[in-house]
Amino acid sequence: GAVVSQHPSRVICKSGTSVKIECRSLDFQATTMFWYRQFPKQSLMLMATSNEGSKATYEQGVEKDKFLINHASLTLSTLTVTSAHPEDSSFYICSARSDRGDQPQHFGDGTRLSIL
Amino acid sequence: RKEVEQDPGPFNVPEGATVAFNCTYSNSASQSFFWYRQDCRKEPKLLMSVYSSGNEDGRFTAQLNRASQYISLLIRDSKLSDSATYLCVVDGGSYIPTFGRGTSLIVHP
Repeated sequence: GAVVSQHPSRVICKSGTSVKIECRSLDFQATTMFWYRQFPKQSLMLMATSNEGSKATYEQGVEKDKFLINHASLTLSTLTVTSAHPEDSSFYICSARSDRGDQPQHFGDGTRLSIL
Repeated sequence: RKEVEQDPGPFNVPEGATVAFNCTYSNSASQSFFWYRQDCRKEPKLLMSVYSSGNEDGRFTAQLNRASQYISLLIRDSKLSDSATYLCVVDGGSYIPTFGRGTSLIVHP
């Protein structure tokens, strides 16, 4: 089945640090990648949708200057949390989907981000 | 009305029981439907796509009712390992997937 790799799986760092998370589709070309965050016992919240070679589309309330997304190739998207603060601590999950919109998305393992 | 709604549960059932979840959606133009399961502190994993004619995969059966705008998931002969949160995903008409909040299932001995 389709495999999506997300790295790192766990990050603990000081307030003010910028953190970069990578999402790679290992065995298919991901035209579209999605970035989510999930707080404990809450549902997944879509942050942004990125299409290869174009600017990401951010959901309402998500600061694009805070959460920088780059989707430079069909197999790699990155999310950078700039100047992270404790309130940014969350579970960040990426997913990837091939170019047909009726295909399911496949998720990475998630990144648990803790800002001290 | 939320785009995708699910009963959060929890559904607490004994091993061997049959349990069913529904998920309603508001966008009549939706085309793609999926069920995922998410274990605690893990990423969602695709359980099955939902096709117009309904589909079955082992103990799991998914159905789509376009007229009433809901999809369902039936689990037969529940196992302890089925305990998880089941997420309904509906494409938003522009192929941006929308997640339900999930239904929690607890299977006990």
